Amino acid sequence: DVVMTQTPVSLSVSLGNQASISCRSSQSLLHSDGNTYLSWYLQKPGQSPQLLIYLASNRFSGVSNRFSGSGSGTDFTLKISRVEPEDLGVYYCFQHTHLPTFGAGTKLELK
Amino acid sequence: QVQLKESGPGLVQPSQTLSLTCTVSGFSLTSYNVHWVRQPPGKGLEWMGRMRYNGDTSYNSALKSRLSISRDTSKNQVFLKMNSLQTDDTGTYYCTRDWTTRSLDYWGQGVMVTVSS
Repeated sequence: DVVMTQTPVSLSVSLGNQASISCRSSQSLLHSDGNTYLSWYLQKPGQSPQLLIYLASNRFSGVSNRFSGSGSGTDFTLKISRVEPEDLGVYYCFQHTHLPTFGAGTKLELK
Repeated sequence: QVQLKESGPGLVQPSQTLSLTCTVSGFSLTSYNVHWVRQPPGKGLEWMGRMRYNGDTSYNSALKSRLSISRDTSKNQVFLKMNSLQTDDTGTYYCTRDWTTRSLDYWGQGVMVTVSS
């Protein structure tokens, strides 16, 4: 199974600053069809996860442009610029190139 | 609009079988895949398995021996059955839709399952 390693486990940021989360996979996520099936989710307290980024770098409908995804192969990054209170929660990466797996999560907190 | 809703018993005894239903609306089970994801209290998300649009299934290798996913397209329902439950199977169980980009765009509200005698 593909292991997704997220770092850091937790991240304290001040409002208005940038946050960056890393996700590394144990195998390349480049599919034979040319797509990279890596997505990012935010789970706010008491809520279901919500899709932020798909295909590594595409923002889902309605997602703020403060969120951006990048990366290829085995190394991926989610950046959140100008952090706002509604961005707080746990972020997960998810790969679906192989049998699906989630990262362990990164908790974004206020400093 | 697209909706998914999980239902099932809140309490299951150890060694018994868990049966959950995901009822969907706003899309067809013959056009989209539906996944099951679970989350132990205070912990991360775990992918459990998937019902594909064509009726094929895939399972987490760690759960494969205990897990079965099926569907009734006429009722717009996907079912999860997992046997030999233990206390570490306690958690919130979600069903979620797999978009064409292999990302999970719509999620149910989740159903909390407690395994306890």
